[in-house]
Parts: sequence; C-alpha cells; structure tokens
Amino acid sequence: QVQLVQSGAEVKKPGASVKVSCKASGYTFTSYDINWVRQATGQGLEWMGWMNPNSGNTGYAQKFQGRVTMTRNTSISTAYMELSSLRSEDTAVYYCARGSLYWGSRYFDLWGRGTLVTVSS
Amino acid sequence: DIQMTQSPSSLSASVGDRVTITCRASQSISSYLNWYQQKPGKAPKLLIYAASSLQSGVPSRFSGSGSGTDFTLTISSLQPEDFATYYCQQSYSTPGAFGPGTKVDIK
Repeated sequence: QVQLVQSGAEVKKPGASVKVSCKASGYTFTSYDINWVRQATGQGLEWMGWMNPNSGNTGYAQKFQGRVTMTRNTSISTAYMELSSLRSEDTAVYYCARGSLYWGSRYFDLWGRGTLVTVSS
Repeated sequence: DIQMTQSPSSLSASVGDRVTITCRASQSISSYLNWYQQKPGKAPKLLIYAASSLQSGVPSRFSGSGSGTDFTLTISSLQPEDFATYYCQQSYSTPGAFGPGTKVDIK
C-alpha cells in the first residue's frame, strides 16, 4: 500500500525543538522528493521545504531558513523534519507530501495524515 | 516570491450546481499550477496538476484551465462529497506557495 505514515502528536515548550518523521511504503523512497507543509488551526497551507531522498539535497522556504532541517534515513525509507527555536506561532499540523514531476511541473500526489505540534509553556 | 490569490474566499452552492473557483498568480507561472481539495481534519488531496491534468481517480466533474497568471477550477455538477476547501498552488518556483483557499459549503 502506497502511503506516508507520520509520527504522533508532540507538545513542546517555547525554545525547544521538534523532530517529525515520515515513513514511506509501497514505492521507491529515493525516487520522489519529500516536501513538508504546515497548517495552523483554521488557516491555509504553508510550504516549508523539500528534500531529495536520493541525494539528501534540500531547499527551504526563506521564512524557515536557519530553523528547519530536513534529513532522511534511506535504509528505513523515512524522512525527518526538525524545527528548532519553537514559538507559539509554530503550533500547527505538519504534513509530509510526496512530490511528483510531470513535464517539469511538480505536484504533491501523496500526503501523510499530519502531525500536530503544539508549542505551549 | 510569487503570491497566489483565490476568489471567492467562500461560496455557498447546492448539489448539482456548476462551481468555478479562480486562482491568480502575481507573475506568470506558465501552467505550473495545482489544485487540492481538503476536508476538515484531513490531509489535502490532489485534484489537478499542471493546470489541467486530472489526477488518477479524481471524478471527471473536476476540471482545470488557464495559463500564465489566471486559472480556474470548475466542478461541473457539485456533489455532496465536494463540500470542502480548495487550494491552488504554484510549482513554477520555490517556495511553492499555496493560495489562501476557497471554502465551498452547502447553500
């Protein structure tokens, strides 16, 4: 079954870091990018960045530069997103999404169910 | 960065209605435009990619059109399961910005 399975909900204090995992199954993990998208409660979708699981290359939205790190472990087909220096505004559901390509057009055709990260003192 | 806008922000419609949602980019993005549907508490679902290509398994009542800066998502005959929020996303350049969403609810 083709799917992305994310780790469970997290509660963190301001200033801490969180690391969310995304395990791929049913397809070749290294053949597709993994993207991370977050959504605060009642708000829209915000793209955070992408990672090429084959090369480990990454690209981050400027807003998150210096605070986000995307990594992977190819032996277990798992991608990770770590966000540091957490603040209350980082409270959101974090999604991983597989990126596919069509004639140069990238789209997200497979999504995880999301991981709720709550930042609260 | 490329900015995306959508209109309307919300609409009320009845089952069987034809619904059109508009997405505009702040600069030309060719056909690098995707549409997603999201229901409450669920992950987004890809409907349309590359402006007009229907994702496998998505009903044919959904269609997309446009290029450059102006795009539309059309639902030809709204069904009960289509009540949701719809987002466009540009994939011309990073960051792959999403539009603010259009909520479609029951009239």
